[in-house]
Amino acid sequence: GENVEQHPSTLSVQEGDSAVIKCTYSDSASNYFPWYKQELGKGPQLIIDIRSNVGEKKDQRIAVTLNKTAKHFSLHITETQPEDSAVYFCAATYTGFQKLVFGTGTRLLVSP
Amino acid sequence: DADVTQTPRNRITKTGKRIMLECSQTKGHDRMYWYRQDPGLGLRLIYYSFDVKDINKGEISDGYSVSRQAQAKFSLSLESAIPNQTALYFCATSAASGANVLTFGAGSRLTVL
Repeated sequence: GENVEQHPSTLSVQEGDSAVIKCTYSDSASNYFPWYKQELGKGPQLIIDIRSNVGEKKDQRIAVTLNKTAKHFSLHITETQPEDSAVYFCAATYTGFQKLVFGTGTRLLVSP
Repeated sequence: DADVTQTPRNRITKTGKRIMLECSQTKGHDRMYWYRQDPGLGLRLIYYSFDVKDINKGEISDGYSVSRQAQAKFSLSLESAIPNQTALYFCATSAASGANVLTFGAGSRLTVL
């Protein structure tokens, strides 16, 4: 089955810096890769996703890149702000499987 | 009101007690899931249901059972709680078609003493 590894487990940056979180997946059939943000006391919420037919997707200050050959994908946050502080989860699945497999999470702390 | 509502939000119980966590949704989604979150382990799937008559085990179903009472309701039961079931539990929903986008509830924190 699919296995998703996520690094780092914790990441501390200064406000305004960039943050990068990396994930690797094991199943070459996986073709959908979402990222979820979990704020304190809340459930995870989808912030961006990418399908295997594209290499990069951007939405304002966040972007996701995908390298199918290496089977890894990354979340990039630019110009970080304190409200970006949260736990971020990557996930992977493939069409027809309909079950997301999540990474272990990254706790991002943005200091003012 | 929240799209996905979990009750209770917090529960402390003792070893051997039966516990039920409830989930209801107003999204109109067919698919519902129960996940467990532990520090350093991420989100792991316990059970999932693709419609009222469909129940499937996830990767960590031992010690848990579920009931899909209606399209909008999906409950998780611990028949005899044990301390290593202390965790944060999330219910989630998704539409049957389209992307695998999950809508999560706010979570139920369970402590088993």
